Amino acid sequence: AQSVTQLDSHVSVSEGTPVLLRCNYSSSYSPSLFWYVQHPNKGLQLLLKYTSAATLVKGINGFEAEFKKSETSFHLTKPSAHMSDAAEYFCVVTSEEGYQKVTFGTGTKLQVIP
Amino acid sequence: DGGITQSPKYLFRKEGQNVTLSCEQNLNHDAMYWYRQDPGQGLRLIYYSQIVNDFQKGDIAEGYSVSREKKESFPLTVTSAQKNPTAFYLCASSIRRGPDTDTQYFGPGTRLTVL
Repeated sequence: AQSVTQLDSHVSVSEGTPVLLRCNYSSSYSPSLFWYVQHPNKGLQLLLKYTSAATLVKGINGFEAEFKKSETSFHLTKPSAHMSDAAEYFCVVTSEEGYQKVTFGTGTKLQVIP
Repeated sequence: DGGITQSPKYLFRKEGQNVTLSCEQNLNHDAMYWYRQDPGQGLRLIYYSQIVNDFQKGDIAEGYSVSREKKESFPLTVTSAQKNPTAFYLCASSIRRGPDTDTQYFGPGTRLTVL
């Protein structure tokens, strides 16, 4: 079985302050983990992807995520929030279970306050 | 530019009508997917296709149908049997071979509203 839990449905930060979006996963297989961003009425854009090469993954727009196997977490961070970061963020896990199984988290809406 | 296009962006349908959503990709990807997105529920898989002329049901296939006659195209029909079709529909694609098979790339979506 495979699952993803995004621990916060909404996060609010002030512009220029750090961002932390939390994600925990479970998987019986060696998973790949992703973060996607979705702006209103748009498709999902890939922010970053973890496979197994390095536990700290750098993505686009200054975001990064750290894979912690012992904590089964893959939290997304950014040192300084920008107004354009306001969007919904999805944590995703995939694994080979006979076929490529993809599981999406329920999303975290990030609000950035000027 | 390579990418995935979905049309139309907004679609309105009367109850009892079938409607077809278009998805086209020029990424040369073999696999294509349809998802439904509802507020607070993340994305749920409707159908997927790994290769031309073959497709499989996802988690919520009831009331939907698809075809895959061409590699580039994967249209989704929302039938009158779908009880609650108002939602945002997203199409995605991925490669089938190589190290990046688990990465899906998404289109801009179609918002369907049933009147």
